[in-house]
Amino acid sequence: DIVMTQSPDSLAVSLGERATINCKSSQSVFHSSHNKNFLGWFQQKPGQPPKLLIYWASTRESGVPDRFSGSGSGTDFTLTISSLQAEDVAVYYCQQYYTTPFTFGPGTKVDIK
Amino acid sequence: QVQLQQSGPGLVKPSQTLSLTCAISGDSVSSNSAAWNWLRQSPSRGLEWLGRTYYRSMWYNDYALSVKSRITINPDTSKNQFSLQLNSVTPDDTAVYYCARHVVRSGWTTPFDYWGQGTLVTVSS
Repeated sequence: DIVMTQSPDSLAVSLGERATINCKSSQSVFHSSHNKNFLGWFQQKPGQPPKLLIYWASTRESGVPDRFSGSGSGTDFTLTISSLQAEDVAVYYCQQYYTTPFTFGPGTKVDIK
Repeated sequence: QVQLQQSGPGLVKPSQTLSLTCAISGDSVSSNSAAWNWLRQSPSRGLEWLGRTYYRSMWYNDYALSVKSRITINPDTSKNQFSLQLNSVTPDDTAVYYCARHVVRSGWTTPFDYWGQGTLVTVSS
């Protein structure tokens, strides 16, 4: 199985400041025949299912604000919230969909400082 | 717009079978590009993918090794829904269970783009 790790476990950021979350996979999720990284980012608020924010490591899902951006390739990825808003308080997960079993990181909790 | 509506009991006794259903609107369980998944989330296991069913001229299933001996995911084309059965449950199976869709085409997949609302299932006598 591909093991996903995330850092930090939690972070507190002032409103309007940048939040950065890191995700690492135990093996590359770059699919050379498709030239894509099979890596997604989700946001989960209490009592709700996860919401897809980013796919192919850097493509924003329709309707997702442009303050959310994803980067990285191979085994190392980053989710950046450029200017944290109050509604961004949530837990963020990365997920690899390169191969079954599909696996998620343990999550990073983002709060307001 | 795809919507997934989950139903099923929230309490199951140990050694019995957990059964949940996910009704699909806005797409078809027989779609030749979608796959229909079950996942669960608990404090001890985090988000865990359990398995999927999908149709590509015939029905296919994939299951996580951790539950492979106990799980069945079945499509119901007459009701446009799919179900989860997990046998011989223990308290360790207590979790919020989700159904979710992703797209599978020509060797590539997408992450889970539509999710059910989640069902808290507690395994307890």
